[in-house]
Amino acid sequence: GQQLNQSPQSMFIQEGEDVSMNCTSSSIFNTWLWYKQDPGEGPVLLIALYKAGELTSNGRLTAQFGITRKDSFLNISASIPSDVGIYFCAGPPPNFGNEKLTFGTGTRLTIIP
Amino acid sequence: SAVISQKPSRDICQRGTSLTIQCQVDSQVTMMFWYRQQPGQSLTLIATANQGSEATYESGFVIDKFPISRPNLTFSTLTVSNMSPEDSSIYLCSVGLGTRVSNEQFFGPGTRLTVL
Repeated sequence: GQQLNQSPQSMFIQEGEDVSMNCTSSSIFNTWLWYKQDPGEGPVLLIALYKAGELTSNGRLTAQFGITRKDSFLNISASIPSDVGIYFCAGPPPNFGNEKLTFGTGTRLTIIP
Repeated sequence: SAVISQKPSRDICQRGTSLTIQCQVDSQVTMMFWYRQQPGQSLTLIATANQGSEATYESGFVIDKFPISRPNLTFSTLTVSNMSPEDSSIYLCSVGLGTRVSNEQFFGPGTRLTVL
């Protein structure tokens, strides 16, 4: 099935640093969603993107819908301890309508004390 | 969004037994989904739970192993049948709100299953 590859796989940063991660696909997506999963919890929707080139912010988080429609980016500014977790991109796979989602491989963010 | 609860939150089961996981939503929703998240992995869609009809399963998942019920617009169950240690995973239900942004899904807290 369709695979969404996320990079990097894991990140170790210090509190206060900015974070950048991306998600790439071999196929065009019409929607990009970014989720965060805390340990022992279900994923929580952070940002939804619906238009190529769109740049959307949610507090310290900013996500962009790539112009090629095959990638998306998530940035976190001035990281804080509660940013720790796993970040997933997701989108409806091509030719399967809008109901289903395929999820990326995930980026695990760790903050070094 | 919607408030979604799952029961049980975790369980430890013996191989060969079955476990039924419940998903309850605080409002009526069109779309409900079940996912599996194996240890350290991403989410994989098991099936779409259709109200009033049989669930739609993804490749690699079959009804005999993962029977699903969807008796109304606020509730669904997933059964993991004849369990083996390979079934140890987190099982998540999600809902789609069926609007213009219908591909936004909201997740329950998950059920952490360990099979011995």
